[in-house]
Amino acid sequence: KAGVTQTPRYLIKTRGQQVTLSCSPISGHRSVSWYQQTPGQGLQFLFEYFSETQRNKGNFPGRFSGRQFSNSRSEMNVSTLELGDSALYLCASSLGTGARNEKLFFGSGTQLSVL
Amino acid sequence: DQQVKQNSPSLSVQEGRISILNCDYTNSMFDYFLWYKKYPAEGPTFLISISSIKDKNEDGRFTVFLNKSAKHLSLHIVPSQPGDSAVYFCAASFSYSGGGADGLTFGKGTHLIIQP
Repeated sequence: KAGVTQTPRYLIKTRGQQVTLSCSPISGHRSVSWYQQTPGQGLQFLFEYFSETQRNKGNFPGRFSGRQFSNSRSEMNVSTLELGDSALYLCASSLGTGARNEKLFFGSGTQLSVL
Repeated sequence: DQQVKQNSPSLSVQEGRISILNCDYTNSMFDYFLWYKKYPAEGPTFLISISSIKDKNEDGRFTVFLNKSAKHLSLHIVPSQPGDSAVYFCAASFSYSGGGADGLTFGKGTHLIIQP
């Protein structure tokens, strides 16, 4: 069974640009969550999508948005990039049952550098 | 304000000995706790979890202890092996948030180094 696939692995952008990251969850998983990892803040929750709807949202500005398609694949978009957006962006998939012990399966991430 | 804190950025332990990784939390509403392990250039992988109704959970060489009154949890690895060298993240979640996939709050991680 294929794992969570994130593309691209690396991205270099300049301030003010916008970027789109892609995530393909494990087959059969309907929930996709996005996290930002930085050395200073650790792993921070961005948002979660389930059945094409945003089900939960973290504390990030509106420049960060996402969507989910009918095949459960998800994209994350960051507009008007700032230097502080440089980070590893991780996608995690799960069945989406809402069970307390439901495991998240993470992709390897997209390393975004903003110059 | 960091609600989940891992105060040791790194920890070095000799192979075969016990590794103890610590995690403190400030929000008493957290009721489910997890540990994830991360190797370089890979995403975190789930290791072990514990519900607030328990104070201990064991899985092979890994045991997690929860002290609710102190708002503290720890991960014990016995015996430590070279393959355990990785970054370990502690994470917590609320009941009301609806489930395991909803907005885990992570600590900043502890880099565990197992020395031969």
